[in-house]
Amino acid sequence: SQQGEEDPQALSIQEGENATMNCSYKTSINNLQWYRQNSGRGLVHLILIRSNEREKHSGRLRVTLDTSKKSSSLLITASRAADTASYFCATDAHGFQKLVFGTGTRLLVSP
Amino acid sequence: GAVVSQHPSWVICKSGTSVKIECRSLDFQATTMFWYRQFPKQSLMLMATSNEGSKATYEQGVEKDKFLINHASLTLSTLTVTSAHPEDSSFYICSARDPAGANVLTFGAGSRLTVL
Repeated sequence: SQQGEEDPQALSIQEGENATMNCSYKTSINNLQWYRQNSGRGLVHLILIRSNEREKHSGRLRVTLDTSKKSSSLLITASRAADTASYFCATDAHGFQKLVFGTGTRLLVSP
Repeated sequence: GAVVSQHPSWVICKSGTSVKIECRSLDFQATTMFWYRQFPKQSLMLMATSNEGSKATYEQGVEKDKFLINHASLTLSTLTVTSAHPEDSSFYICSARDPAGANVLTFGAGSRLTVL
């Protein structure tokens, strides 16, 4: 399976703390994306990082990419209760049009 | 931004009946749409790629006669679960490529199917 793996599977933190989740994938990629899913809803795109980029920021989000290790991390700083959701990485493998999603990290931010 | 509307958001049906789920791109044209299936607390599994005006491309292990996909216009793709059984109960999500590019997907809100 091409599916990536994320860890941790679940993460529970307090408001104000930072949350870090990691994604590993198996094949060469064009880019890697992170999506968020609130319970029982569709996914929302958060950020995209290209294979020739190493780090990218968007608001409270920071994404890193290490293509030599085939891994990425998503850091959410100063977390809020509203950040409670599942987070998925998705890879766009060379030559393939479809996205392959990771196993996801369930984040719970307590007030 | 691009919006994908999916309907119904939830449906309950009896075993043996068929259920149709619609996926519409509201403010853009989508020649390709993607249908995913998601089990509780699990990731999204791509079922098929819906292509406007041609046959859908199904992923390995997905029964094309069971999950009928029609993409008759540039803004509408439908997934019909035929002769549904309890094991077909799941969360089905459609998506389309954001016209802004870079293979970013815009997702519908999902449809929860429960087969009794």
